[in-house]
Amino acid sequence: DTVLTQSPALAVSPGERVTISCRASESVSTLMHWYQQKPGQQPTLLIYLASNLESGVPARFSGSGSGTDFTLTIDPVEADDTATYYCQQSWNDPTFGGGTKLELK
Amino acid sequence: EVQILETGGGLVKPGGSLRLSCATSGFNFNDYFMNWVRQAPGKGLEWVAQIRNKNYNYATYYAESLEGRVTISRDDSKSSVYLQVSSLRAEDTAIYYCTRWGNYVMDAWGQGASVTVSS
Repeated sequence: DTVLTQSPALAVSPGERVTISCRASESVSTLMHWYQQKPGQQPTLLIYLASNLESGVPARFSGSGSGTDFTLTIDPVEADDTATYYCQQSWNDPTFGGGTKLELK
Repeated sequence: EVQILETGGGLVKPGGSLRLSCATSGFNFNDYFMNWVRQAPGKGLEWVAQIRNKNYNYATYYAESLEGRVTISRDDSKSSVYLQVSSLRAEDTAIYYCTRWGNYVMDAWGQGASVTVSS
């Protein structure tokens, strides 16, 4: 299985720029996606195929990367962005990163 | 509007089995692959199974950790997908999400069905 590694937690102030990283144990080309999960809710798709913004998602969210290193950027961060963010690859059997919990100061 | 609704969760004794159902609407079900993903309490997301559509002969794929205990199936006439889980263990306690797979990505999720395995 392709292992995805994310930092477990980040704390930022509203209005700041935050980057959340995801590293794959092998190349997944651009078959990397990002989801947001708020407490008590199901995940929702933010970014697909590394850099494509899902319809309806604010342009404050963006994604980049290819191969093994990927980044989700939120700029500027808003209070409503408090959530856990997961990366997921579909190069082979789907796997998810462990999630990065974003907290606002 | 895309809608995905999971049912069939509940409390099950260890060693028992469970069948989860996922009813969908708002899109052409026949065109899509479908997945099940689970999330144990306080933990991350774990892909469980995928079933492809008729164009791909309804091929099925399973997470290695669960293979042999789970079966995914679909009924295109009902726009529904199912997950049968057997020999349930405490570690199978989780919310089970049904997801639509479009363009290599899980682009729509249900609200989930809660499964608790306990005596």
